[in-house]
Amino acid sequence: KNQVEQSPQSLIILEGKNCTLQCNYTVSPFSNLRWYKQDTGRGPVSLTIMTFSENTKSNGRYTATLDADTKQSSLHITASQLSDSASYICVVSSNAGKSTFGDGTTLTVKP
Amino acid sequence: EPEVTQTPSHQVTQMGQEVILRCVPISNHLYFYWYRQILGQKVEFLVSFYNNEISEKSEIFDDQFSVERPDGSNFTLKIRSTKLEDSAMYFCASSDRRQSTGELFFGEGSRLTVL
Repeated sequence: KNQVEQSPQSLIILEGKNCTLQCNYTVSPFSNLRWYKQDTGRGPVSLTIMTFSENTKSNGRYTATLDADTKQSSLHITASQLSDSASYICVVSSNAGKSTFGDGTTLTVKP
Repeated sequence: EPEVTQTPSHQVTQMGQEVILRCVPISNHLYFYWYRQILGQKVEFLVSFYNNEISEKSEIFDDQFSVERPDGSNFTLKIRSTKLEDSAMYFCASSDRRQSTGELFFGEGSRLTVL
């Protein structure tokens, strides 16, 4: 069964600090992995999308990594801001066209 | 920047009533999706739509749900007889490619409250 597991479930950090969110998956055959940011009550917004051959991709202060061998991804946020407070969702798609969503990590950035 | 728009933003309805949620996908996109998110839970796939027909649906998408693309711009989700457990945020998404390769663009969602 295709699964996406994210950790931690929630995280609280101080403004300006860095943090790393984890995503482990069992989706096969793998097509791509996407990270989304979802503000409370809003729709998810894409941060990065990575295919099998990509092992790192950056979008501003967000850097995603992918290890297709161990089926792990991480999202690193640098110099966090209050506006980074949101849920971060890992979505893994298979070549068959199915996408599996993780439960998300809720990040709270405090002043 | 092109975006997916959804209406209404919030709808309150009585149990057993029919509800239609509307979406205008990004104009050059060909793949359309509905997702559901119950408060505090993960985003769940409902249905995907391509070439004027359903390409895939989840177990959640039972006979009380239907989708339609009535014209060249709108994409609708109909819930025939709402139940309390249908209360959720419903997200429409579109893509220019299949879900497995393309980036999904989500709307802001329609919050459905069933009383």
